[in-house]
Amino acid sequence: NAGVTQTPKFRVLKTGQSMTLLCAQDMNHEYMYWYRQDPGMGLRLIHYSVGEGTTAKGEVPDGYNVSRLKKQNFLLGLESAAPSQTSVYFCASSPGTREETQYFGPGTRLLVL
Amino acid sequence: DAKTTQPTSMDCAEGRAANLPCNHSTISGNEYVYWYRQIHSQGPQYIIHGLKNNETNEMASLIITEDRKSSTLILPHATLRDTAVYYCIVRVFFNAGNMLTFGGGTRLMVKP
Repeated sequence: NAGVTQTPKFRVLKTGQSMTLLCAQDMNHEYMYWYRQDPGMGLRLIHYSVGEGTTAKGEVPDGYNVSRLKKQNFLLGLESAAPSQTSVYFCASSPGTREETQYFGPGTRLLVL
Repeated sequence: DAKTTQPTSMDCAEGRAANLPCNHSTISGNEYVYWYRQIHSQGPQYIIHGLKNNETNEMASLIITEDRKSSTLILPHATLRDTAVYYCIVRVFFNAGNMLTFGGGTRLMVKP
């Protein structure tokens, strides 16, 4: 049981390039989330999904797109990377039950030059 | 969601109990108290949560005052691996997006 995994662990992009971050969970969780964490700051929700085929915007969705084609995977896309998107990206999942807790992946460090 | 106040940092000797306080004086009746921690460069880790009763699991104990305006997370025998930033989060357990609002947290340093 790997929990929540994220790929890649680290990536450097040039401004304007695109990339996709992959999050996978093997806990059969309904809900999945993408957060970003800037240095010395708390986490901010980018997008989330409450089930396969559904996505919704979080607190800071601009510049990102997501897809949840399979229940176990949640993809975060950057169509045209900007230096302001330099951050650590965390994926999380949760059962979607009443008293729910979120389980986080190890993070992806993204540097946009 | 209710705002929380935590000390910026705390030290604890290895093997001793670490008691981390959190004030949440504006908590409402349907809001839970959650604790997460983040070890350097890792993803946040869930520790424990509660509504009004004290809770205990294999990681920690959560003591919530009778008026629910404050709580204490207790790590009974702190180890060096417990050095982390600890976040107290108060929220309705199910809100749109289930966004977790991480404030500044308490940076716990466990020393040998």
